[in-house]
Amino acid sequence: EPEVTQTPSHQVTQMGQEVILRCVPISNHLYFYWYRQILGQKVEFLVSFYNNEISEKSEIFDDQFSVERPDGSNFTLKIRSTKLEDSAMYFCASSGDRGLKNEQFFGPGTRLTVL
Amino acid sequence: DAKTTQPNSMESNEEEPVHLPCNHSTISGTDYIHWYRQLPSQGPEYVIHGLTSNVNNRMASLAIAEDRKSSTLILHRATLRDAAVYYCILRDPTGTASKLTFGTGTRLQVTL
Repeated sequence: EPEVTQTPSHQVTQMGQEVILRCVPISNHLYFYWYRQILGQKVEFLVSFYNNEISEKSEIFDDQFSVERPDGSNFTLKIRSTKLEDSAMYFCASSGDRGLKNEQFFGPGTRLTVL
Repeated sequence: DAKTTQPNSMESNEEEPVHLPCNHSTISGTDYIHWYRQLPSQGPEYVIHGLTSNVNNRMASLAIAEDRKSSTLILHRATLRDAAVYYCILRDPTGTASKLTFGTGTRLQVTL
């Protein structure tokens, strides 16, 4: 069964450093998402991406965040200058269409720890 | 997205049916009702969705009230592997966003 994969599973970084979280969505999917979940809190939407551009972003997704689909398979989330409060699980998801009726498939997540 | 209300937690015995309720009294006529679950230390996972009619799939059944102001996710025979947080989410197909807006969900504990 096709699945979304994410690397690394755990990333530890120093405050102020740049990090890139990587995702490989399901191959024939067209819509891509990043969510995050701070420990013990709700899963929060960050950004959606379609046709090589951002479709929607939340208030969390400020100028420190960017997303890119550099080739036909990878989908990345970059945080330019990490803060302590960026520590969270980051989940990538993809869907075959806008997902209004269809499901989003989530990856296993990357745990980001900012020291 | 319209707001949903779920109990914080529920318990079930293994092999017993589980009914997870969700209230969505402000649902609009075009909102779909989606259920996702999040097993411990994993990403969310789609369970089922519906609009008006009851729905069944290999994982669960979804019973939707006639006025659509509430719904119930039914796990016919809970197993230990079903222990997870279950999220009821409304999605508006007329909006520009296709994001999922997660609440706090219901934490289901399954015991032997």
